[in-house]
Amino acid sequence: QQQVKQSPQSLIVQKGGISIINCAYENTAFDYFPWYQQFPGKGPALLIAIRPDVSEKKEGRFTISFNKSAKQFSLHIMDSQPGDSATYFCAASKGGYNKLIFGAGTRLAVHP
Amino acid sequence: GAGVSQSPSNKVTEKGKDVELRCDPISGHTALYWYRQRLGQGLEFLIYFQGNSAPDKSGLPSDRFSAERTGESVSTLTIQRTQQEDSAVYLCASSLLLAGAEQFFGPGTRLTVL
Repeated sequence: QQQVKQSPQSLIVQKGGISIINCAYENTAFDYFPWYQQFPGKGPALLIAIRPDVSEKKEGRFTISFNKSAKQFSLHIMDSQPGDSATYFCAASKGGYNKLIFGAGTRLAVHP
Repeated sequence: GAGVSQSPSNKVTEKGKDVELRCDPISGHTALYWYRQRLGQGLEFLIYFQGNSAPDKSGLPSDRFSAERTGESVSTLTIQRTQQEDSAVYLCASSLLLAGAEQFFGPGTRLTVL
């Protein structure tokens, strides 16, 4: 499968800090880039998504930064809270078809 | 319904047995997806349904895996002659048939093959 590479594998942040997770993709045909949040024992839930016609999208404390030329995108969580502790997955899909190619995930721990 | 539901939530089986995993999508969602999540890893695409047809089965790992869907409703993923490497969480998602439509995931079925 076409790959989406995600880093870091795990991340520890202090409460109030900024969490940054990075993803890189290979296929320039990808045109939809969502981030999913998963809590233990639950299915992933969509957090925020972006299309390549914009370089940044912000929803509350969550921001996606997108660099089309570098084929990279990242998730920034501002003012990180213990309740943000979860596994985060980036993903990508192409065209009108929503089959998602997922990154390997980042386990985030926010310490109080 | 309120969301995507899957059953059973947990399934323990012996190597060589067949298993059936069920997914009930959100009503009105034409698109349905099955993914597999191995322990500590990302999700791997298995199969996509558009209505009751499956235009993309490219992620099914072997011919032991099959799936069907009744209309725009329930889907069943069947694994025949289970192997230990089949142990994983199997996740189902559904969405409207629109480009970039959000995929809503169920809680998954945790399959353990002994």
